[in-house]
Amino acid sequence: QQQVKQSPQSLIVQKGGISIINCAYENTAFDYFPWYQQFPGKGPALLIAIRPDVSEKKEGRFTISFNKSAKQFSLHIMDSQPGDSATYFCAARKGWNQGGKLIFGQGTELSVKP
Amino acid sequence: GAVVSQHPSRVICKSGTSVKIECRSLDFQATTMFWYRQFPKKSLMLMATSNEGSKATYEQGVEKDKFLINHASLTLSTLTVTSAHPEDSSFYICSASFRGQGNQPQHFGDGTRLSIL
Repeated sequence: QQQVKQSPQSLIVQKGGISIINCAYENTAFDYFPWYQQFPGKGPALLIAIRPDVSEKKEGRFTISFNKSAKQFSLHIMDSQPGDSATYFCAARKGWNQGGKLIFGQGTELSVKP
Repeated sequence: GAVVSQHPSRVICKSGTSVKIECRSLDFQATTMFWYRQFPKKSLMLMATSNEGSKATYEQGVEKDKFLINHASLTLSTLTVTSAHPEDSSFYICSASFRGQGNQPQHFGDGTRLSIL
């Protein structure tokens, strides 16, 4: 119930291509879904986040698609660049306006080839 | 944006030593701070949640006498690894969220690489 399942574990994309990372959850009490980007030796940085009352959110080249009925959400990186090569984590939390704990997915190591 | 500073970034010490890691919120009041541990190529594992002025809440399986957490002010939390052994070697990351209206995202520090010889 508390798990967030993320796939794929690793992803190789050509420069200019679309990177897609998927996550699924079970707990319907989750109502905040952020994505984090982590470079080696650094802490995660918040990339984009969505609430379940919205089906899609776009910020620049990054888009979250959210399917509430399927309990799934995904990150799309358009026009992927070598500088996007990093590990991406999806997460979920109960309480939109509370500082509660995040449940993280397993992570996806993205490599964008020039 | 919100900045969380973690210090030191790297520490190497002998087995049996106690090590203190600091986590500071530089431009906001962090009512809640979180401490994570991350193994290579793995996800973040929450160790404990601390609220300013109260005792930390530890996740199941985390030894509270081994990993001492103090959150004495709204801008500082510390994690002390007591009598560290090689199996405590890991990447430790803190995060903080702040008091305020609406969504309160977690902002992460850049982590501390702890190596116990």
